[in-house]
Amino acid sequence: DIQMTQSPSSLSTSVGDRVTITCRASQDINTYLNWFQQKPGKAPKLLISVASNLQSGVPSRFSGSGSGTDFTLSISGLQPEDFATYYCQQSHVTPYTFGKGTTLEMK
Amino acid sequence: QVQLQQSGPGLVKPSQTLSLTCAISGDSVSANSASWNWFRQSPSRGLEWLGKIYYRSRWLYDYALSVKSRMTINADTSKNQFSLHLNSVTPEDTAVYYCSRLIGLGVLLDWGQGSLVTVSS
Repeated sequence: DIQMTQSPSSLSTSVGDRVTITCRASQDINTYLNWFQQKPGKAPKLLISVASNLQSGVPSRFSGSGSGTDFTLSISGLQPEDFATYYCQQSHVTPYTFGKGTTLEMK
Repeated sequence: QVQLQQSGPGLVKPSQTLSLTCAISGDSVSANSASWNWFRQSPSRGLEWLGKIYYRSRWLYDYALSVKSRMTINADTSKNQFSLHLNSVTPEDTAVYYCSRLIGLGVLLDWGQGSLVTVSS
């Protein structure tokens, strides 16, 4: 199975900050990488697909980059509604696997 | 706009079968461009892919090794839905279960609302 290693696991941050979350795959996954946001009691919400494609309706302060094994999700100008848990996920090969998540907490 | 609506019991006894259904609107379960997936999420296991069903001139299936011996996914084209059946459940199978549609280059855009299933006597 492809292991997805996300860091940090949590981040104490403030409104207006720029946040960067990294995700490393245990083998080359090309750009088959999705980023999700999840809030308590809700299903994951797709933010970015194919490493850098912003989904319709997702604010432009979210961006993704990377290919191969190293990927980044950035949020510029954090908003109150962005405090949530973020997951990376690979769709290169089954079993599809997720990182363990990064929780953004209010400082 | 694709919508996925999950249904099924929230409590299952140990050794019995967990069954959930995902009703699809806005796409077809037999669409050649999609696969229909099941995931679960628990504090101990995180987000875990369980398996998928898809139609490419015939029905194809793929299951996670961790559940392969216990799991079946099937499709009902008359109702445009797909179902998960997980037998011989234990408390370890307690989780929130999600269905999802995968399209294009591995894009998991659409998700069901989630179903909390507790395995307990």
